[in-house]
Amino acid sequence: DTGVSQNPRHKITKRGQNVTFRCDPISEHNRLYWYRQTLGQGPEFLTYFQNEAQLEKSRLLSDRFSAERPKGSFSTLEIQRTEQGDSAMYLCASSLSTDQPQHFGDGTRLSIL
Amino acid sequence: GEDVEQSLFLSVREGDSSVINCTYTDSSSTYLYWYKQEPGAGLQLLTYIFSNMDMKQDQRLTVLLNKKDKHLSLRIADTQTGDSAIYFCAEKAQAGTALIFGKGTTLSVSS
Repeated sequence: DTGVSQNPRHKITKRGQNVTFRCDPISEHNRLYWYRQTLGQGPEFLTYFQNEAQLEKSRLLSDRFSAERPKGSFSTLEIQRTEQGDSAMYLCASSLSTDQPQHFGDGTRLSIL
Repeated sequence: GEDVEQSLFLSVREGDSSVINCTYTDSSSTYLYWYKQEPGAGLQLLTYIFSNMDMKQDQRLTVLLNKKDKHLSLRIADTQTGDSAIYFCAEKAQAGTALIFGKGTTLSVSS
């Protein structure tokens, strides 16, 4: 069990640039989740995939955000035209089913200059 | 709506027991979780309890669930300095897939 892997660990970019993060879930897990965590807060749900299908999106996922999971394995989260308020830790989790616990990666910390 | 509340800080001495408390509002919660987060890292699943249970023990960890009062607690026996971290309580509603997290309790263990 190699765990959930996220890349990069840190990303620093200028306001207005686009960024993309990658998540590799635990290999047999077909459920994948993205969360965002800001300083002093708990993670907040962004979106959920079952295999390649994106089944749930929270209202936090503005139209500048897009997530994909093209082959039902790894997922990418892209943020276009980044803003200061996008600075956060972006966490990915995976699970075997919705009744099984979600296991988290170490996150990608995004800093907007 | 769904909400999870936790006290923000707890300070204990090494060797003592720690009790971290959490309250939630969604009576349809099916599972309740405790996660640990160390600085700069992601969330590590510590333990979880199904809503039809009232207690679960796992080595030094004991989870108590009072469903009537919507109160969850995590007891860590013989707390060590390595237990210093932020502890998050989370619930999963029956209808949803998302976890709803509290703001986390920072546990500080002094030697």
